[in-house]
Amino acid sequence: KQEVTQIPAALSVPEGENLVLNCSFTDSAIYNLQWFRQDPGKGLTSLLLIQSSQREQTSGRLNASLDKSSGRSTLYIAASQPGDSATYLCAATKAAGNKLTFGGGTRVLVKP
Amino acid sequence: NAGVMQNPRHLVRRRGQEARLRCSPMKGHSHVYWYRQLPEEGLKFMVYLQKENIIDESGMPKERFSAEFPKEGPSILRIQQVVRGDSAAYFCASAGALANEKLFFGSGTQLSVL
Repeated sequence: KQEVTQIPAALSVPEGENLVLNCSFTDSAIYNLQWFRQDPGKGLTSLLLIQSSQREQTSGRLNASLDKSSGRSTLYIAASQPGDSATYLCAATKAAGNKLTFGGGTRVLVKP
Repeated sequence: NAGVMQNPRHLVRRRGQEARLRCSPMKGHSHVYWYRQLPEEGLKFMVYLQKENIIDESGMPKERFSAEFPKEGPSILRIQQVVRGDSAAYFCASAGALANEKLFFGSGTQLSVL
């Protein structure tokens, strides 16, 4: 059974610092891994999706890496801004069309 | 997550009543997933449906919960005889072709059971 863990559960940084968010998974036989952002009281917004054959994906200030052999993914957010404050969730899926298994999330606060 | 519509946004029920949560997927999407987020917990998978078919309901409680995705109309998550422990945010997500697995989530329905 896949288990996804995100540490730390919460993170506070001053504006301008780079953010590093960690995600680990127990079963390396994943189909893909996604990173989401959730704002309080809102739904989830997909940030990046990494297929199992890929090592990383980039979108603007966001970069996500995937290391299947070690069961880890890392989300980097460069030059953080107060607007980046949110909860970030990673989720893995085992096969096409299959359910996502979510981590518990990392709650990020970027202080102006 | 634009395009996946969930209603109502907030639903208040008394213990023993029924709750009906609706989800209209993005246009052209035929795959719908329901997830539940309990207070201070992560999202847990409940059920995966395609049009008129339940594909995977392994995350859904065996009693009181049911889901459908009819040929016409939204997907419905139905909870009968609600209890306080059902209070949670219920999220729906949709996906298009399986080759592109990006999920698009709705804003959720916050169910409060009094």
